[in-house]
Amino acid sequence: GQNIDQPTEMTATEGAIVQINCTYQTSGFNGLFWYQQHAGEAPTFLSYNVLDGLEEKGRFSSFLSRSKGYSYLLLKELQMKDSASYLCAVRDSNYQLIWGAGTKLIIKP
Amino acid sequence: ETGVTQTPRHLVMGMTNKKSLKCEQHLGHNAMYWYKQSAKKPLELMFVYNFKEQTENNSVPSRFSPECPNSSHLFLHLHTLQPEDSALYLCASSPPGQGSEKLFFGSGTQLSVL
Repeated sequence: GQNIDQPTEMTATEGAIVQINCTYQTSGFNGLFWYQQHAGEAPTFLSYNVLDGLEEKGRFSSFLSRSKGYSYLLLKELQMKDSASYLCAVRDSNYQLIWGAGTKLIIKP
Repeated sequence: ETGVTQTPRHLVMGMTNKKSLKCEQHLGHNAMYWYKQSAKKPLELMFVYNFKEQTENNSVPSRFSPECPNSSHLFLHLHTLQPEDSALYLCASSPPGQGSEKLFFGSGTQLSVL
């Protein structure tokens, strides 16, 4: 079967750095997405990786290693507004999106 | 604001009721989706429409009935639901492309079935 694993919950301190990991086992690979979802709101797109390496976008970066079936989302200079759930999703060989259950990130002052 | 609007935001219904969820996008996207989001579970894809034609139905019970009258509007008709159907129902849309296209989600309808 196809599977995406990510931690259920993480806690970090305002101003710090946090890394949210995502490992996947899928039938083929056609890209990996990260979405942010604040409570009661729509998931919004954060990043897309299809090649190995690091993609940086402001305070957020996303890394991919296809050989290891592994990605992480790195959030720097954490702000209280970063408290949200972070969803990892992989597009498989049939271009179907396989979703993780999400990581709830709690930021403390 | 993602450009995808869902109504109502909250819905409480009995098992014998009939209700409909509405989704609207004016982003010019050709694909629209219904997802079910339950606490601590991955998003479950329910239905996909491309250019108003249903292209996927992921073994969804017949008590959920989608309708896509045009590329901008999507409905989910609900009847004789079960308590386990209580969840957040998300609508999404996407532009045409080769796989890197992101989804634009609505804020969802939080459904409670009593």
